[in-house]
Amino acid sequence: EAQVTQNPRYLITVTGKKLTVTCSQNMNHEYMSWYRQDPGLGLRQIYYSMNVEVTDKGDVPEGYKVSRKEKRNFPLILESPSPNQTSLYFCASSFIAGYGYNEQFFGPGTRLTVL
Amino acid sequence: DAKTTQPNSMESNEEEPVHLPCNHSTISGTDYIHWYRQLPSQGPEYVIHGLTSNVNNRMASLAIAEDRKSSTLILHRATLRDAAVYYCILRDFDAGGTSYGKLTFGQGTILTVHP
Repeated sequence: EAQVTQNPRYLITVTGKKLTVTCSQNMNHEYMSWYRQDPGLGLRQIYYSMNVEVTDKGDVPEGYKVSRKEKRNFPLILESPSPNQTSLYFCASSFIAGYGYNEQFFGPGTRLTVL
Repeated sequence: DAKTTQPNSMESNEEEPVHLPCNHSTISGTDYIHWYRQLPSQGPEYVIHGLTSNVNNRMASLAIAEDRKSSTLILHRATLRDAAVYYCILRDFDAGGTSYGKLTFGQGTILTVHP
């Protein structure tokens, strides 16, 4: 089954404790992206990757890191989480060809709480 | 980026058709019209897209005005499972660069389906 998986689905942590949220897709997509969703602000893009070893900032990259060492994986790293990073996070992937009309596939989400 | 305007909320009864409107008066000639929806506690999922002609798929139909300044997502027989937030998004197939791939989500329309 074609899917995007994220782990963990729920995480409660404390300020400053480094954490990683994993994202994996099995569709051989070149493009992967991270969004965060906050009430009243909608979904906003954090980082994206066009292919292995190619990453770039989205609209709200501060406080986050990413890496793309393998095509299928795109982990989101919070080196020193703060309470304002409490949010619902989504990973997404798609093919690059026909990007105006291709669909993006989203993961189930990771709800992060930083105390 | 061209913007879209959608009603905040709509209601429907089960097994009745639902017409979800979207205004995009500043749409450019290279913008595709995409619809995504987000079911409760899930990531967004692709519904349908179109450029100029009306489109049908197994989930819905998309009716695009002749001047392309508005469109309507049609759910032919709403079910309880269709209760979700529906997002109308414009994607420029000629954008490239940092615009590539990013989906700009607005607030969407909250669809409530009554039994």
